[in-house]
Amino acid sequence: QVTLKESGPGILQPSQTLSLTCTFSGFSLSTYGMGVGWIRQPSGKGLEWLANIWWDDDKYYNPSLKNRLTISKDTSNNQAFLKITNVDTADTATYYCARIGANLYYFDYWGQGVMVTVSS
Amino acid sequence: DIVLTQSPALAVSLGQRATISCRASQSVSLSRYNFMHWYQQKPGQQPKLLIYRASNLASGIPARFSGSGSGTEFTLTINPVQADDIATYYCQQNRESPWTFGGGTKLELK
Repeated sequence: QVTLKESGPGILQPSQTLSLTCTFSGFSLSTYGMGVGWIRQPSGKGLEWLANIWWDDDKYYNPSLKNRLTISKDTSNNQAFLKITNVDTADTATYYCARIGANLYYFDYWGQGVMVTVSS
Repeated sequence: DIVLTQSPALAVSLGQRATISCRASQSVSLSRYNFMHWYQQKPGQQPKLLIYRASNLASGIPARFSGSGSGTEFTLTINPVQADDIATYYCQQNRESPWTFGGGTKLELK
């Protein structure tokens, strides 16, 4: 069965770099058409798409975060990663990774999320 | 960016029909494909896929959920509403990047 689990630092200070890991099972990111996305949700607010990475290493980013995002993957270890540079309090949120099924282009499985707090 | 607009809340009675709408700032349809999807999120949980491509029921989702629409107007219907359906519902488009979500509609009991 498909599972995804996010991990992160929990708390970090403004201007630091946030590094998130998504460890998944039940599928491979080397499968044609497969993808993983990152989505975040501030407490009590809506969902914001951040980035997607695809089986062929193609990457898409939300331009609202300008050049602060970097998404990557380790196919052999079934992991995807997201880095956000120069964080501030507005980046405090629960961060989700989600699978984009092969050639489906929607999020069909989600991780449980990891809460990240940016505070001085 | 394509903006998706949802009403913030909807109050319904158990056993009645709930109709949740999502309006897109421009068409999210192309040819016969509608690039609109619906998710359910209960408090403290991750979102769950309900409907993909506007009208297709995701695996394991009860048949009381249905979706319709095309172009810029889409609807998620729950009929009849059960207590377990109390949650926030989000629409999401992938017609264009950046992928965007609606603000969510919180389904409440009357």
